[in-house]
Amino acid sequence: AQSVTQLGSHVSVSEGALVLLRCNYSSSVPPYLFWYVQYPNQGLQLLLKYTSAATLVKGINGFEAEFKKSETSFHLTKPSAHMSDAAEYFCAVSDSSPNYGQNFVFGPGTRLSVLP
Amino acid sequence: DTEVTQTPKHLVMGMTNKKSLKCEQHMGHRAMYWYKQKAKKPPELMFVYSYEKLSINESVPSRFSPECPNSSLLNLHLHALQPEDSALYLCASSQDHTSVLLEQYFGPGTRLTVT
Repeated sequence: AQSVTQLGSHVSVSEGALVLLRCNYSSSVPPYLFWYVQYPNQGLQLLLKYTSAATLVKGINGFEAEFKKSETSFHLTKPSAHMSDAAEYFCAVSDSSPNYGQNFVFGPGTRLSVLP
Repeated sequence: DTEVTQTPKHLVMGMTNKKSLKCEQHMGHRAMYWYKQKAKKPPELMFVYSYEKLSINESVPSRFSPECPNSSLLNLHLHALQPEDSALYLCASSQDHTSVLLEQYFGPGTRLTVT
C-alpha cells in the first residue's frame, strides 16, 4: 500500500521568506502526487499535481513542487511567503486497484504559519 | 464552473435527530465522494459513488446513509449520531473514479456538531 509522510506538523516562516513543505511517499509503482491547501473552515483546494509529465510542477498562487524519484520526495516550495499562505497543506498520493478504483492517500498535513 | 457546493455550512443536531447533508456539482463529474475530517487530521474517505452507484463503503456505521439521486447530487442522511461523529464533512467529485491521474474537487464542507 502506498503512504505519504509530511515532515513537520507545523512550519513557521516570516513574510517574504522561502516556504518549504516536505512530502515523502512510499510506492512500488510510479506515483501520482497531489498537493492540496485547506484554509480555515474551508474545503481542500488543489495546488498542483504530478502525473509523470514533468518533474518540476508549477501550481497556483506561486507554489511549485519537484518530484525526485531517488529521494521519493515531492516537496512544495514558494520563493516568498505571503500572509495569505497561512493554511493547512496536505500531500496526497493516488493509487488504484481493480476493485477499488482511485484511492487518495493523504499525508497527515502541515500547518503553515506566516509571521509578519 | 469548478465548484462543489454543500449545504448547510453548519449543523447542530441531537443524538435522536434525523438530518441530511447535501452536495451538488455541475461539472459533469461521474464520481462523488463523502469524507469525514476531524480537527487537525486529514480527510478520511467514507463513501464513493461512481456513475450514481455506490462503489465504496469504507465500513461506515449504518447511522450514515448516502444517497445519489442523480449525477449532480449527493446526500448524506444522518440518524442517531454520536458525539464522536462531530466533524467537518467534505464532499468531493472527480471526472471518473477509475483514473488515478484525476484530481478531486472539494466542497467547503459542513461543520457538524452532535450534542
